Amino acid sequence: ETGVTQTPRHLVMGMTNKKSLKCEQHLGHNAMYWYKQSAKKPLELMFVYSLEERVENNSVPSRFSPECPNSSHLFLHLHTLQPEDSALYLCASSQEWATDTQYFGPGTRLTVL
Amino acid sequence: DAKTTQPTSMDCAEGRAANLPCNHSTISGNEYVYWYRQIHSQGPQYIIHGLKNNETNEMASLIITEDRKSSTLILPHATLRDTAVYYCIALHTGTASKLTFGTGTRLQVTL
Repeated sequence: ETGVTQTPRHLVMGMTNKKSLKCEQHLGHNAMYWYKQSAKKPLELMFVYSLEERVENNSVPSRFSPECPNSSHLFLHLHTLQPEDSALYLCASSQEWATDTQYFGPGTRLTVL
Repeated sequence: DAKTTQPTSMDCAEGRAANLPCNHSTISGNEYVYWYRQIHSQGPQYIIHGLKNNETNEMASLIITEDRKSSTLILPHATLRDTAVYYCIALHTGTASKLTFGTGTRLQVTL
């Protein structure tokens, strides 16, 4: 019912693996977001896309690479991650960037071994 | 965005109203009060937001004091599925992308 779906829901990967997280929103929104939520840190905004253009990139290491092929889909490509990258990765969308309510997906629980 | 203060935890009996307070004494005129909740290990769920007037939707009611320095989220008939961490956030339009959650209130609904 959230209108924002994320796959996979759980992911375990080694430090040398390459994997991708997928987010899809069915709400007709124009903006999409990636967040990281760690156990002992507040919610961290990673990337924002508005109409498929990246509009915010908050000092995220290059081992995280976002992709937004259209306004309904958002990917987060992962490579050579570190154990400290283990977290809940959340996707959200809003009608417009920076002015509207954000709706979140269920998240992907990532564990890096 | 203005800082918000919430109690760390609250308990509520199932079927009773849960009243969750939030202080935002430094809120500015164009900051909205937003409420989200997060059930353990799930994505945050939007509940409600308001500027000056009280608001109600199918999930909850939001009561904002006249001076806007505090608000209360009301879940009219709490159920076990309402057990979650509830976050109150003051947010400018125009910086709504900079959503951050504080520690929130952990609401435990009990039988």
